[in-house]
Amino acid sequence: KQEVTQIPAALSVPEGENLVLNCSFTDSAIYNLQWFRQDPGKGLTSLLLIQSSQREQTSGRLNASLDKSSGRSTLYIAASQPGDSATYLCAVVKAGFQKLVFGTGTRLLVSP
Amino acid sequence: EAQVTQNPRYLITVTGKKLTVTCSQNMNHEYMSWYRQDPGLGLRQIYYSMNVEVTDKGDVPEGYKVSRKEKRNFPLILESPSPNQTSLYFCASRQSWATSNQPQHFGDGTRLSIL
Repeated sequence: KQEVTQIPAALSVPEGENLVLNCSFTDSAIYNLQWFRQDPGKGLTSLLLIQSSQREQTSGRLNASLDKSSGRSTLYIAASQPGDSATYLCAVVKAGFQKLVFGTGTRLLVSP
Repeated sequence: EAQVTQNPRYLITVTGKKLTVTCSQNMNHEYMSWYRQDPGLGLRQIYYSMNVEVTDKGDVPEGYKVSRKEKRNFPLILESPSPNQTSLYFCASRQSWATSNQPQHFGDGTRLSIL
């Protein structure tokens, strides 16, 4: 059974810091991995999607990497801003299955 | 604007009173699914649909029904709601499951409280 773990569960940093969020999964036979952002009272916004054949994806200040063999992904946020405060979720699609398996998220607070 | 729309956003109701949460997407997506989000458990899939008239169970389907009569709509039905179905529900859609480079789009969520 695929399990997804995110560490840390919560993170508080001052504005301007670069930070890394971690995601690990137990079964390396994945189809893709997706990072989401969830704001309070809102749905999930897709940030980055990495296919199983890719090593990383970048969008603006965000960079996500994937190491399938070790079952790990990281989300790097450069020059953090208060507007980055949210819960960040990673999710994997296991090959042959029709669902996302989510981690429980990292709650990020960026202070001015 | 491309979006997934859920209604209602909030609902408080009582045990046993049938309810339907609607979900509609305007992107002509083939694949749609429902998730519930609970503290400490994360998001878990309830049901999914790969296309019109094609639905299947996810991880936690007990107590729920779905239908997919039209491509754009995928309602979630609770025939006899119970307190353990109190949760935050999300509908999601994706163009198709055939390719791996397409993200899922989520609605803003429906918070259900069953008393």
